[in-house]
Amino acid sequence: AQRVTQPEKLLSVFKGAPVELKCNYSYSGSPELFWYVQYSRQRLQLLLRHISRESIKGFTADLNKGETSFHLKKPFAQEEDSAMYYCALSGGTGGFKTIFGAGTRLFVKA
Amino acid sequence: KAGVTQTPRYLIKTRGQQVTLSCSPISGHRSVSWYQQTPGQGLQFLFEYFSETQRNKGNFPGRFSGRQFSNSRSEMNVSTLELGDSALYLCASSSTGKDTEAFFGQGTRLTVV
Repeated sequence: AQRVTQPEKLLSVFKGAPVELKCNYSYSGSPELFWYVQYSRQRLQLLLRHISRESIKGFTADLNKGETSFHLKKPFAQEEDSAMYYCALSGGTGGFKTIFGAGTRLFVKA
Repeated sequence: KAGVTQTPRYLIKTRGQQVTLSCSPISGHRSVSWYQQTPGQGLQFLFEYFSETQRNKGNFPGRFSGRQFSNSRSEMNVSTLELGDSALYLCASSSTGKDTEAFFGQGTRLTVV
């Protein structure tokens, strides 16, 4: 069964500190992994996806198939990074079924 | 291009009633997915439609149903509403599905009293 686990509901860091939002997944095939972000009063939007291997707003995420993890990292947190972050997995045959983790609220303190 | 549009934005219904929510995807997108978002359960997948066919379904009771029209617009229906159905219902569209970005609407906030 597909499952996405984000162990931290809330993560609070100081501005300039490194950030790592954890994500572990369970899936028997080859999943597509994503990170979505929801800023205050805005709609949920894609932050990055593992197949792109890109850095968005300073964030990166590496898919570790051995550890079944897709942690989101940023070396220096900014106040504007404060938001709700969701890890998502898309897989399955015969169509599109994206499963989201419970989300981690990141709070960056000045 | 216009984003995903969900109507209505807010809805208050009484237990036992039924409700229909609407989602207009981004032009050209053929996949529409629905999610229920609650503080306790987070984002839960309801179902996905592609070219008027339901391709995937989450673990929700049969009271939750949906459909997609030939113009890719989708509706979600909930019958015999329960208090626990109070939630933000999100619609997301993507061009084909699996490995493409999903674009979300702002949601319909349903309150069941």
